[in-house]
Amino acid sequence: SQQGEEDPQALSIQEGENATMNCSYKTSINNLQWYRQNSGRGLVHLILIRSNEREKHSGRLRVTLDTSKKSSSLLITASRAADTASYFCATATGANSKLTFGKGITLSVRP
Amino acid sequence: DSGVTQTPKHLITATGQRVTLRCSPRSGDLSVYWYQQSLDQGLQFLIQYYNGEERAKGNILERFSAQQFPDLHSELNLSSLELGDSALYFCASSVGKQGSSGNTIYFGEGSWLTVV
Repeated sequence: SQQGEEDPQALSIQEGENATMNCSYKTSINNLQWYRQNSGRGLVHLILIRSNEREKHSGRLRVTLDTSKKSSSLLITASRAADTASYFCATATGANSKLTFGKGITLSVRP
Repeated sequence: DSGVTQTPKHLITATGQRVTLRCSPRSGDLSVYWYQQSLDQGLQFLIQYYNGEERAKGNILERFSAQQFPDLHSELNLSSLELGDSALYFCASSVGKQGSSGNTIYFGEGSWLTVV
């Protein structure tokens, strides 16, 4: 079963706009990670946020985590056509911190 | 380039056959993970090894098995293949045994398996 549920399922924006993607989960987590996947390619790790952190930045990426609402958001600022990809949130839970992925969000950035 | 190497990149085989997928983790990483990605099931965790020992098990079928060798490379064996086993199989690695307590998990490019 999916622990993380991303929202929306698909997002289409114009280059230069910001893209906001949300992830909700059900159980307590150790950390939450966001990954990007270009079509048919491997998963690229974007950012990890621990359960005791509320916000992290990495370049044009900003991730927030609200453990009380069991939700996270990924903001990509000043989007580029090259940001077109699928984005997944993955939650790490349990003693082994097993990663469970959501179904992903398809982001299309129009030039 | 994540540093995780998977072979083969593409594989087409018939139902009932057996295949082996190979993974070399990033240098220094002791944990290896296997994931299956299909259109209907999404990304599913199969199994994790740490320094040669099985660490965690996910939705891995009994027809599938894996191992991690002393040099830390890993193999995923898929047998009695069915059409539904067609998927992209990812290997990933991380430094620690609790891969996600704070350690990033790095993914390979995957092995595309098509069962015909």
